[in-house]
Amino acid sequence: ETGVTQSPTHLIKTRGQQVTLRCSSQSGHNTVSWYQQALGQGPQFIFQYYREEENGRGNFPPRFSGLQFPNYSSELNVNALELDDSALYLCASSLGERGYYNEQFFGPGTRLTVL
Amino acid sequence: SQQGEEDPQALSIQEGENATMNCSYKTSINNLQWYRQNSGRGLVHLILIRSNEREKHSGRLRVTLDTSKKSSSLLITASRAADTASYFCATPSSNTGKLIFGQGTTLQVKP
Repeated sequence: ETGVTQSPTHLIKTRGQQVTLRCSSQSGHNTVSWYQQALGQGPQFIFQYYREEENGRGNFPPRFSGLQFPNYSSELNVNALELDDSALYLCASSLGERGYYNEQFFGPGTRLTVL
Repeated sequence: SQQGEEDPQALSIQEGENATMNCSYKTSINNLQWYRQNSGRGLVHLILIRSNEREKHSGRLRVTLDTSKKSSSLLITASRAADTASYFCATPSSNTGKLIFGQGTTLQVKP
């Protein structure tokens, strides 16, 4: 069984730039969720994808967008980066449309620093 | 917004002692989940307790759920230095597909 992987591990960008983060789901999982975790805080839900369709979105502006591919891997794109976007970005995979009723398996995260 | 609130925010104990963390939430839930996070890395799922369950065990972990008080507790028995981590409770939202996390309890186990 392959776990959830994320790339890159660390990333440094400057304000105004764009960034793409990647996630590979655990084998057999068809739902991917993205979370943003600021230092000292709990993860905040960004959005969820089920079978390539957005299946729920948190309180994040439209410059946060995503994709899920036929193999269930996923991307998180953030445009016009702001300093407050500096955080740990976590991807989680689960099985089923209502994946949140089941446990979610998290990747190791991508640490984004915006200067 | 945070659904779950953990208490205490920080806990420091000696190896071998028990650690208890509490979580309160605001709305009705289908289940409540506990996760562990080591040093700002990914979260590891520990245990899921459903709303019709009152207690659940997994190894040295014991979770209780009181839906009338909208609270849960996580007990780690015979703690080890390797248990040093942040612990989060999370509840699923009923209509948006998201897990709502609290701010976590930071546990330090001293050898």
